[in-house]
Amino acid sequence: GDSVTQMEGPVTLSEEAFLTINCTYTATGYPSLFWYVQYPGEGLQLLLKATKADDKGSNKGFEATYRKETTSFHLEKGSVQVSDSAVYFCALSDPGEKLTFGTGTRLTIIP
Amino acid sequence: DTEVTQTPKHLVMGMTNKKSLKCEQHMGHRAMYWYKQKAKKPPELMFVYSYEKLSINESVPSRFSPECPNSSLLNLHLHALQPEDSALYLCASSPLGGDNSGNTIYFGEGSWLTVV
Repeated sequence: GDSVTQMEGPVTLSEEAFLTINCTYTATGYPSLFWYVQYPGEGLQLLLKATKADDKGSNKGFEATYRKETTSFHLEKGSVQVSDSAVYFCALSDPGEKLTFGTGTRLTIIP
Repeated sequence: DTEVTQTPKHLVMGMTNKKSLKCEQHMGHRAMYWYKQKAKKPPELMFVYSYEKLSINESVPSRFSPECPNSSLLNLHLHALQPEDSALYLCASSPLGGDNSGNTIYFGEGSWLTVV
């Protein structure tokens, strides 16, 4: 079945540091890939998505590229802010299948 | 606008109470979902409604009873819950084909449920 493996956390970075959160996946079909963000005490927000190989999703300075050859969808940001502190979930959706989540990575940015 | 609205935001109920969680979306989405999220875990799928019909029940105990009165509304009726059912309950919706959003699922802010 489908699965998502996500970088274990927690991750602590200083403000303005470069961020990478690794995500790799296993899927039987041609999935769409997503990053969701969950701020403390809130629900999940869609951060970005990519629906086919080599697509790059981007939003709020975050980027991720759908790499079929390495089955990866790593999340990056060039300069993080304190307000980026949250839990980040990588997820995939095969057509007609359920959304499969990774375990989540808790990110803390210190001033 | 990609908004899913959930009420109430917080709910405390006793094990003998009956209560309901409510969810609404006005994006014209034809699939609606209930997820349960425990602390420090990803959301777990409970139910899926497609075109107002229950299409997936992930073996959820009968003390949770979903209802989809129309294409914009989704309820979760709660009865005789246990303390271990305390969690964040997330409603979500997605378009079903024929839309460039594809199978993107949009979540609400959630309802924090505490069973005492």
